[in-house]
Amino acid sequence: AQKVTQTQTSISVMEKTTVTMDCVYETQDSSYFLFWYKQTASGEIVFLIRQDSYKKENATVGHYSLNFQKPKSSIGLIITATQIEDSAVYFCAMRDNTNTGKLTFGDGTVLTVKP
Amino acid sequence: EAAVTQSPRNKVAVTGGKVTLSCNQTNNHNNMYWYRQDTGHGLRLIHYSYGAGSTEKGDIPDGYKASRPSQENFSLILELATPSQTSVYFCASGLDRGQLYFGEGSKLTVL
Repeated sequence: AQKVTQTQTSISVMEKTTVTMDCVYETQDSSYFLFWYKQTASGEIVFLIRQDSYKKENATVGHYSLNFQKPKSSIGLIITATQIEDSAVYFCAMRDNTNTGKLTFGDGTVLTVKP
Repeated sequence: EAAVTQSPRNKVAVTGGKVTLSCNQTNNHNNMYWYRQDTGHGLRLIHYSYGAGSTEKGDIPDGYKASRPSQENFSLILELATPSQTSVYFCASGLDRGQLYFGEGSKLTVL
């Protein structure tokens, strides 16, 4: 069974700094997909960025990037130049390479960006 | 932009009552999912579907049923609601191996 663990319950940073959120996963599959989602204060869940396990290059979208370390089963989310509106709960999730498409989520990390 | 809408957004039910949460997607995605989210936790999968007419059990299916009458619609049914089912429920849709698109969430309180 797949498992996703986010060890950081909460993080607080100053605006315009860089933050890294950790995520480790467990899977028996040789091919899999990793995602990061953001849940805003209103409850909305928004897809941010993904990493396919067979790709060696770290994914980057806007001011979000990933630190994918496959040997360590780790997929960290890096947010550069943080803004107040980045304050949210961030979830790491994993999907296997079958047609089920089920996502397994971590428990989330609460990010607070202070002015 | 992908669109997934849920109804009702808020529901108060009595113990033992029947509750139906509805989800509609206009993305033409084959796959649809129902998750629940409890305070301080991530999302846990209840049921999912590959397409119209199919439903599959997720990780925590006990006490829930699902129905997928069409490509667009996926319902979650609580035949006999219990207080432990008080939660926020999220519907999502997605393509094979792609990201999921989530609805706004339905807050259910069972008294």
